[in-house]
Amino acid sequence: TQLLEQSPQFLSIQEGENLTVYCNSSSVFSSLQWYRQEPGEGPVLLVTVVTGGEVKKLKRLTFQFGDARKDSSLHITAAQPGDTGLYLCAGNNAGNMLTFGGGTRLMVKP
Amino acid sequence: DVKVTQSSRYLVKRTGEKVFLECVQDMDHENMFWYRQDPGLGLRLIYFSYDVKMKEKGDIPEGYSVSREKKERFSLILESASTNQTSMYLCASSTGTANSPLHFGNGTRLTVT
Repeated sequence: TQLLEQSPQFLSIQEGENLTVYCNSSSVFSSLQWYRQEPGEGPVLLVTVVTGGEVKKLKRLTFQFGDARKDSSLHITAAQPGDTGLYLCAGNNAGNMLTFGGGTRLMVKP
Repeated sequence: DVKVTQSSRYLVKRTGEKVFLECVQDMDHENMFWYRQDPGLGLRLIYFSYDVKMKEKGDIPEGYSVSREKKERFSLILESASTNQTSMYLCASSTGTANSPLHFGNGTRLTVT
């Protein structure tokens, strides 16, 4: 089983601060997805990155896929309380199966 | 929008009981999945299915079985529930095309006492 390590596991910040969440593996993935899960709900896809070095922006969220397709990062600018949730990265291997990281629980305080 | 519906939000069962978790999707997706979610461990795949009557073991199939008699329905069965199966269970579906996203239900929180 391929492993994905997410860091940090927990993050509590004030509204307006910036943050970065990391997703690292020793394995190469064909693509990587980021999901956000809010309390009482299932995870919802935020983005899929496919090409090594790719950068995608979703409003205040910036996602980057590492050049070697082994790691990814999620950067949030000027965090809002609505960004609070569990962020999960998931790597897709050649067999189109997803391996999930352990998650980063983010709390943004007003 | 894809809708994945899990029949129960909360279940409390006793050790040794047989437990059925039901999941239905309404978008004619080929693939369906059962995950369990535990703090710090992310989502771990229990079983998945690419087609009706077809099933494949995931990473942690021990103590579980599944059934897919119809395309839209995927059931997870705990043959004899144990306390270490207390967890959040998430069902998901996808089209199966490359890089297709998973669409999740809202989860069933199972407590085995």
